[in-house]
Amino acid sequence: DIQMTQSPSSVSASVGDRVTITCRASQDISKWLGWYQQKAGKAPKLLISATSILESGVPSRFSGSGSGTDFTLTISSLQPEDYATYYCQQAKSHPLTFGGGTKVEMK
Amino acid sequence: QLQLQESGPGLVKPSETLSLTCTVSGASLSSSGYYWGWIRQPPGKGLEWIGSIFYSGSTYYNPSLQSRVTMSVDTSKNQFSLNLSSVTAADTAVYYCARRGPNSGYSYYWGQGTLVTVSS
Repeated sequence: DIQMTQSPSSVSASVGDRVTITCRASQDISKWLGWYQQKAGKAPKLLISATSILESGVPSRFSGSGSGTDFTLTISSLQPEDYATYYCQQAKSHPLTFGGGTKVEMK
Repeated sequence: QLQLQESGPGLVKPSETLSLTCTVSGASLSSSGYYWGWIRQPPGKGLEWIGSIFYSGSTYYNPSLQSRVTMSVDTSKNQFSLNLSSVTAADTAVYYCARRGPNSGYSYYWGQGTLVTVSS
């Protein structure tokens, strides 16, 4: 199985801050990395697929980068609605695996 | 608009079988190219992929659960199902059904989730 490791597990930030979350795969997954946002009590929502493809309706302040084993999700200017938990997921091979999550909290 | 809705018992006894159904509306389960699947999340914890099924019935299961998991589809009812046998408290979680993108490993559409508690 491909292990996905996210860091940090939590981050405290203010509105307007730039937030960066990293995800590391235990082996090369090329560009097959997605990012989800989950708000309390809700299902996850796919934000980014294939490392950097922004899904329809996702604000442009979200961006993704990386390749191989190291990936990054960046929120360029944090908005109030962005406080949530973010998960990475590899889509290179079964079993599909998720990172442990990063909670973006209010500073 | 595609919608998925999980249904099933919210409480299951240890050693019994957890059975959930996902009803799909707004699209046909037999649409080619899509995998339908289950993902779970224990309270306060992260996401775990359980498995996926194609409309034809071909499946992929998480090896950590494979010996206890069975998935099936009923195209006549536009539903797919999850059975997880010999459950323990560790199987207590919110269970989500989801649809992946065409030929994709990402879950684009999710149900709202249903909490299943394993307890006597």
